[in-house]
Amino acid sequence: DVKVTQSSRYLVKRTGEKVFLECVQDMDHENMFWYRQDPGLGLRLIYFSYDVKMKEKGDIPEGYSVSREKKERFSLILESASTNQTSMYLCASSLLSGNSPLHFGNGTRLTVT
Amino acid sequence: QQQVKQSPQSLIVQKGGISIINCAYENTAFDYFPWYQQFPGKGPALLIAIRPDVSEKKEGRFTISFNKSAKQFSLHIMDSQPGDSATYFCAASLPGFGNEKLTFGTGTRLTIIP
Repeated sequence: DVKVTQSSRYLVKRTGEKVFLECVQDMDHENMFWYRQDPGLGLRLIYFSYDVKMKEKGDIPEGYSVSREKKERFSLILESASTNQTSMYLCASSLLSGNSPLHFGNGTRLTVT
Repeated sequence: QQQVKQSPQSLIVQKGGISIINCAYENTAFDYFPWYQQFPGKGPALLIAIRPDVSEKKEGRFTISFNKSAKQFSLHIMDSQPGDSATYFCAASLPGFGNEKLTFGTGTRLTIIP
């Protein structure tokens, strides 16, 4: 069974702090994704990566960056956290080919005060 | 941005009843339509998916109905059970792309009452 592990379940940070959200997958998947989940807005793609050191912007990349130094690890970085980045963040992975299922982690609920 | 409109936002169904969640899309180029199920405290997981060359796909109590001319697809849960209480997301993807072009609906919170 694919396991996608997000390092923190809950995080509380202050405005202006640099925030790191970590994600690790154990199934050798090529693709990794960061989504943001907000009530009434569904799941929105922030960034994705199809290979080590490769990254592509999703639909809402502003205010975020990512890092993928190893195949199994994908980090989301908030350079200067703002209150409008308070949200649930979901990491996912999938095989490279076609419409392979997304395998999600259980999410990190980030609150920026 | 490509849109997938999902309704209703929330749904309460009696145990044993049929739950129906609807999605409508605009881009006729979409060629893959998955549904994801999310339990509280968990990430979404793929439930069932359909391509537009078929009008219906059934897996156990879960059925996707697809109406290409109306640009709509729906999830039907037969004999709904309390364990089906979850948030459901429809999605759509363009041909030639993977999950990086997957557009999600806004979600439906389903509650099954005894």
